[in-house]
Amino acid sequence: EVQLVESGGGLVQPGRSLRLSCAASGFTFDDYAMHWVRQAPGKGLEWVAGISWNSGSIGYVDSVKGRFTISRDNAKNFLYLQMNSLRPEDTALYYCAKDRVRPLDNVFEAWGQGTTVIVSS
Amino acid sequence: SSELTQDPAVSVALGQTVRITCQGDSLRNYYAGWYQRKPGQAPILVIYTSNNRPSGIPDRFSGSNSGNTASLTITGAQAEDEADYYCNSRDSSGNHVVFGGGTKLTVL
Repeated sequence: EVQLVESGGGLVQPGRSLRLSCAASGFTFDDYAMHWVRQAPGKGLEWVAGISWNSGSIGYVDSVKGRFTISRDNAKNFLYLQMNSLRPEDTALYYCAKDRVRPLDNVFEAWGQGTTVIVSS
Repeated sequence: SSELTQDPAVSVALGQTVRITCQGDSLRNYYAGWYQRKPGQAPILVIYTSNNRPSGIPDRFSGSNSGNTASLTITGAQAEDEADYYCNSRDSSGNHVVFGGGTKLTVL
C-alpha cells in the first residue's frame, strides 16, 4: 500500500524558514516524480513544486520561485520542501503527492494527509 | 495562458448525470487530471489522461476532452459523490502544473 506521510509543519514568523518532509513507502520511490501541493484556508488546490524521479527536472509555481527548494533522497525514500523567507500567504495545508510516471506530469495518483504551515507574527 | 477555469458550484439530483467542465489553453496540448476532495480528506485522483480511471474508482466517473475544454461526467450521481472537484494540467510551458479553481458538487 502506498503511504505518504508529511511532517515538519508548524507556526513560523514571517521571514523565517521551515523544512517539510514526506516519508514514502509501499512503492519504488525512485521510479516516480513527486510534488508538493498546498491548499490555503478557503482556497483551492495549488501546485507548489515538482521533481522528477532523478531530480533532473524541477519546477516551481512563480510565487515560490527563489524561496522554496524541492529535493528528494531516493536512498531514504524522502521528499523535502525547504521553505525560506516565508510569507503569510504561504499559510496552507501542504500535501505531498506521487506522480504516475518518472518525469514531471500532472497525474497525482497518491496523496499524503498533509501538514499545516501557519506563517504569522 | 496557464489558467484553468471551473464553475464554482454545480448541483445534480440523486441518480442523475452531471458534467463538470474545465477550460484552459493548456488543455489543447495536455490532458486533464480530475481529483475529488471531501472535507477533511486528502484529494483522490478519479480520472487521468482523458478517460482513465484508477483502480477503485466507480465506472460512473468518466472524462472527455474537446479543444480547450476537459469534462468530468458522473452518470447516476450518488450522495457520496458530493465533494469538491479539481482539474489540473501541465501548463503551456509543459514544465509546471496548474489546478483549476475547483467545483463544489452538491447532490440533491
